[in-house]
Amino acid sequence: DVKVTQSSRYLVKRTGEKVFLECVQDMDHENMFWYRQDPGLGLRLIYFSYDVKMKEKGDIPEGYSVSREKKERFSLILESASTNQTSMYLCASISSGLAGGRSSNEQFFGPGTRLTVL
Amino acid sequence: AQSVTQLGSHVSVSEGALVLLRCNYSSSVPPYLFWYVQYPNQGLQLLLKYTTGATLVKGINGFEAEFKKSETSFHLTKPSAHMSDAAEYFCAVSRQGGNQFYFGTGTSLTVIP
Repeated sequence: DVKVTQSSRYLVKRTGEKVFLECVQDMDHENMFWYRQDPGLGLRLIYFSYDVKMKEKGDIPEGYSVSREKKERFSLILESASTNQTSMYLCASISSGLAGGRSSNEQFFGPGTRLTVL
Repeated sequence: AQSVTQLGSHVSVSEGALVLLRCNYSSSVPPYLFWYVQYPNQGLQLLLKYTTGATLVKGINGFEAEFKKSETSFHLTKPSAHMSDAAEYFCAVSRQGGNQFYFGTGTSLTVIP
C-alpha cells in the first residue's frame, strides 16, 4: 500500500518561529511537491523537487524554502512564520516513469498538516 | 500553459439525486485529466483519471467522468448521491508525461438527506 506521510496533522506556532514540515514517501518516487490549500483558492504549488538536492519554485515560493537530502524525504521550511502562512499544507509525490519504471500518472498525497500561526 | 476552471464552488444535491460537478480545462498540449476527492481534514484521494483511450472513465465509489475534447471539459457525475459523497472535489490537469499538476479551486458537495 503506497504511502505519503507528514510529520504532523496539526501544528500551532508563533509569529517569527522557524517551522519545519516533513514529508516522507515510501514509493521510491523521484518527484515530490509541497502545496498549500486555502478556501476558495484550491491548491497552490509552493515548491517541487524532481531529484535529490534539486528544487524548483512553484507559484508561491515567497517565505518558504525546501530541502531534499534523501529521495524519500522532502521538507518545507518557514524561516520566520507569519500569520498569513496559516493554512493547510499538502505534500505529494509522483513517479517520473524513468529508470525503466512506469509512471502511474497519479500524484499521491499525504494527509496534510494544518498549520496555525499566532 | 494549462489551467482548470471548476464551475460552482458549492453544489447541493438531495440524497439519491444525480451529482454533476463541472470542470473545464485549457491546455496547449493533449492533457491528462484527474478528479480528486478530499474528505474533511484529510489529504486528496484519486477518484479517476483520463490519460489515453476511452473517453468515458469510471472511478471509485460509482463516479465517472467523460473527456470531451471539443468542449474542453471533464465533468464528474454519479447517478445517485449518497450521504458519504459529501466532500470537496478537485479537478486537475497535467501535460502528457509531465509531473506538474494544475488544480481547480474545488467544489464542495453537500448531500441533503
